[in-house]
Amino acid sequence: NAGVTQTPKFQVLKTGQSMTLQCAQDMNHNSMYWYRQDPGMGLRLIYYSASEGTTDKGEVPNGYNVSRLNKREFSLRLESAAPSQTSVYFCASMTYGTPPSEKYFGPGTRLTVT
Amino acid sequence: ILNVEQSPQSLHVQEGDSTNFTCSFPSSNFYALHWYRWETAKSPEALFVMTLNGDEKKKGRISATLNTKEGYSYLYIKGSQPEDSATYLCAFPSFGGSQGNLIFGKGTKLSVKP
Repeated sequence: NAGVTQTPKFQVLKTGQSMTLQCAQDMNHNSMYWYRQDPGMGLRLIYYSASEGTTDKGEVPNGYNVSRLNKREFSLRLESAAPSQTSVYFCASMTYGTPPSEKYFGPGTRLTVT
Repeated sequence: ILNVEQSPQSLHVQEGDSTNFTCSFPSSNFYALHWYRWETAKSPEALFVMTLNGDEKKKGRISATLNTKEGYSYLYIKGSQPEDSATYLCAFPSFGGSQGNLIFGKGTKLSVKP
């Protein structure tokens, strides 16, 4: 199993450009998540999808959109990139329920917006 | 807004030292407490998911305890090694854990000198 995969690993954008970060998991998890990690801020939830066909906002959703394409894939879109979106983005997945399970993270995408 | 606090922020120890750090979380509506290990340039990796008051979990030289009534968990590393150098995160589910959303602390960064 590949676990959680993300593409691309690195990206540089100019202000105003758009892009989509891709995430896929092969563990048959029902929930998927997008986090951003900034120095001194820790991991913050952008959007999540509790199950196929649903998406919800997390702590910092402004400037982003998401699509849960199917059970495996969950993409994050920046419509008009801003320098404040320079960050490392992590996708994660898990199966939520009882008992609570571990969350698995992808390798991250390092995004720089100039 | 849920708050997960970790202390200390950083820790420098010598190889062979034993160390511990703390995670504080809201004690009401407890569902689970997660510990993650995060090496630089890698993705967070789950260590433990703890659910029961008084729970103690162990993985090699790393162990964790949980006190849900007073809202804290300790992570212990016995005989630290340079490969233990990482940031250790704890996380607490929001919304009662039903959606798998995790609120992360800012982490304790451990550096182990040979």
